Amino acid sequence: ETVMTQSPVTLSVSPGERATLSCRASQSVRSNVAWYQQKPGQAPRLLIYDASTRATDIPARFSGSGSGTEFALTISSLQSEDFAVYYCQQYIDWPPWTFGQGTKVEIK
Amino acid sequence: QVQLLESGGGVVQPGKSLTLSCAASGFPFSNYAIHWVRQAPGKGLEWVAVISSLGNNRYFPDSVRGRFSISRDNSKNTVYLQANSLRPDDTAVYYCAREAGGGYYFDHWGQGTLVTVSS
Repeated sequence: ETVMTQSPVTLSVSPGERATLSCRASQSVRSNVAWYQQKPGQAPRLLIYDASTRATDIPARFSGSGSGTEFALTISSLQSEDFAVYYCQQYIDWPPWTFGQGTKVEIK
Repeated sequence: QVQLLESGGGVVQPGKSLTLSCAASGFPFSNYAIHWVRQAPGKGLEWVAVISSLGNNRYFPDSVRGRFSISRDNSKNTVYLQANSLRPDDTAVYYCAREAGGGYYFDHWGQGTLVTVSS
């Protein structure tokens, strides 16, 4: 089973600042990583797939990078609606499909 | 537009069973695999089950294998998750999610249904 580890657990950022979230896989997953955003009381929403491809209607301020075991999600200029929990997921070594434990982006 | 709507959650005693439904619309249902993902209160996401587009392949994690089953009725655009021998640690919001056509990630999610296992 591929374990996905996210860091930090919580990221405190001011609006307008840049945020970088990290995700590490316990073995190579090539580029088979997705990122999801979840706001309180809502379902997760797909942001990024194939490590760096934005999903439909996702703003350009969201970008993904990485391959192998190290991945990052960058939000270039945080907007108020971006404060949420973000999860990475690998989808090459399945079953099981595995998620990271999440990074909460909060207002500084 | 793509819609997934879960139902069937509620309060159930330990050891009992529950069936969740995921009704889909807005896309050719029989072309897509469907997953269930759960989230315990205040916790992260845990994958629970998948059924292939035609229903001939099913997978589960160790945590639910042998207790949960999954099925689909493509004539009704619905997937079912049968949860048996429920335990308190099965308490969670259960989401169904569509597997993307071009990859094994999840491109659309339902709003979730809460299952509470408690005596």
